[in-house]
Amino acid sequence: EAQVTQNPRYLITVTGKKLTVTCSQNMNHEYMSWYRQDPGLGLRQIYYSMNVEVTDKGDVPEGYKVSRKEKRNFPLILESPSPNQTSLYFCASSQDGSSYNEQFFGPGTRLTVL
Amino acid sequence: RKEVEQDPGPFNVPEGATVAFNCTYSNSASQSFFWYRQDCRKEPKLLMSVYSSGNEDGRFTAQLNRASQYISLLIRDSKLSDSATYLCVVNTPLVFGKGTRLSVIA
Repeated sequence: EAQVTQNPRYLITVTGKKLTVTCSQNMNHEYMSWYRQDPGLGLRQIYYSMNVEVTDKGDVPEGYKVSRKEKRNFPLILESPSPNQTSLYFCASSQDGSSYNEQFFGPGTRLTVL
Repeated sequence: RKEVEQDPGPFNVPEGATVAFNCTYSNSASQSFFWYRQDCRKEPKLLMSVYSSGNEDGRFTAQLNRASQYISLLIRDSKLSDSATYLCVVNTPLVFGKGTRLSVIA
């Protein structure tokens, strides 16, 4: 089944404790991205990647890191999480960076930073 | 500044009603347009792309007006299962609207 998977789905952590949210897609997509979704603010792009070893900042990259060592994986790293990073996070992929392609989203990771 | 604006709603409509959502975008160079559907606490999923000539998929009709920079979504004969948040999406660059919440009531 074609899908985007994220792990963990739910995470409660404390300020300053490094964490990684994994994202993997099995559709051989070139383009992958991370979003956060907050009430009243909608979906905001954190980072995106056009292909392996190519990553770029989105609208809200501060406090986050990403890497794209393999085509299928695009982990999101929070080196020192803070409470303002409490949010619902979605990973997404699409065939390539073309503007006409559908974005396929993972199921989401609900993160709480205490 | 790239923006996509939607009426947040909620739109509360009875079953069988026709409901329309509008969305405006600020970047006149945008090339492609979409409506996504997001159920509560779930991931967004593509509902339909929006073409210049307008397009229809069953009870759903999408229209694009490039001159006025707005996109619309019309839902006819609303079902309870249509209750969700509808996101307007514009590309390039990729920008999501904040969504319009629809509740269809029996």
